[in-house]
Amino acid sequence: GAVVSQHPSWVICKSGTSVKIECRSLDFQATTMFWYRQFPKQSLMLMATSNEGSKATYEQGVEKDKFLINHASLTLSTLTVTSAHPEDSSFYICSARAPEQPQHFGDGTRLSIL
Amino acid sequence: AQSVTQLDSQVPVFEEAPVELRCNYSSSVSVYLFWYVQYPNQGLQLLLKYLSGSTLVKGINGFEAEFNKSQTSFHLRKPSVHISDTAEYFCAVSDQRGSTLGRLYFGRGTQLTVWP
Repeated sequence: GAVVSQHPSWVICKSGTSVKIECRSLDFQATTMFWYRQFPKQSLMLMATSNEGSKATYEQGVEKDKFLINHASLTLSTLTVTSAHPEDSSFYICSARAPEQPQHFGDGTRLSIL
Repeated sequence: AQSVTQLDSQVPVFEEAPVELRCNYSSSVSVYLFWYVQYPNQGLQLLLKYLSGSTLVKGINGFEAEFNKSQTSFHLRKPSVHISDTAEYFCAVSDQRGSTLGRLYFGRGTQLTVWP
């Protein structure tokens, strides 16, 4: 089946640093990738949608300068949390989708900012 | 816009008992429907999906769901649960845009806990 790899799975860093999270589709070409944020015991909140080769579309209330998304190839998208602060601590999940196919999710990245 | 309501935030059940997790949606257009499962500290895994055709959809791990258009429901069922089914379950809808799948709208999730 379709496999999406997300890396790293866990990251702890100091306040003010930038953190990059990678999302790769391993066995299919992902024309669209999605980035979600999930707070404890809550549902997934869509942050942005990215199509390969074009700028990401951010949901209302999500700072595009804070959460930089790059979808440079059909198998890789990255989310960079710039100048991270403790309130950015969360569980971030990516998903990838081929045309006409359901989304397949990565295993998530737990980000802890100290 | 679409919305999804999962009526139960927590469902406790004993092992080998049947279970139903409820999901209702609202939409002014035709939709596709999904159930995902999330184990602790992991991403979401697709259990099953309804895109078209038979309204009874069978998925992995013995789960099935029935699309009821008149009641705008897509309840998830399993006749006999195992302890390993303990997880968070999310119902989601995606609007149809011609032949293209739109974005997913998730319910708030139902925590299924199976007791021995």
